[in-house]
Amino acid sequence: ILNVEQSPQSLHVQEGDSTNFTCSFPSSNFYALHWYRWETAKSPEALFVMTLNGDEKKKGRISATLNTKEGYSYLYIKGSQPEDSATYLCAFRGSNYKLTFGKGTLLTVNP
Amino acid sequence: GAGVSQSPSNKVTEKGKDVELRCDPISGHTALYWYRQSLGQGLEFLIYFQGNSAPDKSGLPSDRFSAERTGGSVSTLTIQRTQQEDSAVYLCASSLGGASYQPQHFGDGTRLSIL
Repeated sequence: ILNVEQSPQSLHVQEGDSTNFTCSFPSSNFYALHWYRWETAKSPEALFVMTLNGDEKKKGRISATLNTKEGYSYLYIKGSQPEDSATYLCAFRGSNYKLTFGKGTLLTVNP
Repeated sequence: GAGVSQSPSNKVTEKGKDVELRCDPISGHTALYWYRQSLGQGLEFLIYFQGNSAPDKSGLPSDRFSAERTGGSVSTLTIQRTQQEDSAVYLCASSLGGASYQPQHFGDGTRLSIL
């Protein structure tokens, strides 16, 4: 059974704060690591797909890094805004076709 | 263009009834996935369709669950003789192909409640 862990489970920050959270995953049979943002009453939205050790990806104020040798990825949000409030999901993709998701980090940004 | 469409958005039914959930993927996407999220759990893989290949049904929790994809497009997930533990949000996703680097595009989900 694959284990994908995310921490923290939930996080409250003030508007303007920068924050980060972690996803850990198996370091063997690695093909890709996906990050999604899931806002309440909406569908999960793809943020990044990362495949190479050392990958860094950025979209606006959000960025992510990947370490496949030790099996972790960090997601960073710079200058958090209330609209960043959502659950952030990571998902491990091995050699089969399915994604194995973590339980997510629930981020709340207070104005 | 249109995203992944799921119906119904909410379904409340009595234990023991059959339910059918529908997913209309993005046009041209050959890969289609079903997931569910039960209370307090992460998204759990159910089934994967890719083109005309045999589906990967390894995530279906019991033989009460089945899914089909007609004409390589619309998919239906059927749950027979529903149980209370089947209550969950059922999400469908599609991607351009089955490659690991391709992101999945999700529908809004069907919230299923079994009384």
